[in-house]
Amino acid sequence: GAVVSQHPSWVICKSGTSVKIECRSLDFQATTMFWYRQFPKQSLMLMATSNEGSKATYEQGVEKDKFLINHASLTLSTLTVTSAHPEDSSFYICSARDSTGGNQPQHFGDGTRLSIL
Amino acid sequence: AQSVTQPDIHITVSEGASLELRCNYSYGATPYLFWYVQSPGQGLQLLLKYFSGDTLVQGIKGFEAEFKRSQSSFNLRKPSVHWSDAAEYFCATTGFQKLVFGTGTRLLVSP
Repeated sequence: GAVVSQHPSWVICKSGTSVKIECRSLDFQATTMFWYRQFPKQSLMLMATSNEGSKATYEQGVEKDKFLINHASLTLSTLTVTSAHPEDSSFYICSARDSTGGNQPQHFGDGTRLSIL
Repeated sequence: AQSVTQPDIHITVSEGASLELRCNYSYGATPYLFWYVQSPGQGLQLLLKYFSGDTLVQGIKGFEAEFKRSQSSFNLRKPSVHWSDAAEYFCATTGFQKLVFGTGTRLLVSP
């Protein structure tokens, strides 16, 4: 089945540093990937849609300069949390949709738990 | 805009008992509907999806869901719950490629 790999699974870092999270589709190509944020005991909040070869589309209220997204290939999208602060601590999840067409569902990575000290 | 509602925040079911998790959608045309499951600290796994055709959809892990247009519902069912089914369940629909999630239902399984 379709597999999405997300790395790292857990990261702890000091306030002010930047953190990069990778999302890879392992056995399919994805022109579109999605980045979500999830607070404890809440649903997923879509942050942005990552488009291969073009700029990401951010949801309202999400700072594009804070959350940098790069989708340089058909199998990799990265989310960089710049100058991270404790309020950025959260669970970040990516998903990818197979580009072969049709009504392909999104497949999710296992998430990255980010803790900013 | 498309949306889904999960009216139950959490449900407790005895192991071996049947399960039904509710999901109501809001969309004029036939929606694309999904059920995902999330174990603690992990990503989401697709259980099943409905696009068109047969209104009773079979998924993985013994789950099924039935699309009922008259009730605007897409409830998830399982005839006999196992302790390993304890998790958070999300109903979702799509709009302009984006997934729109419900607020989730936490399933607790008692011995």
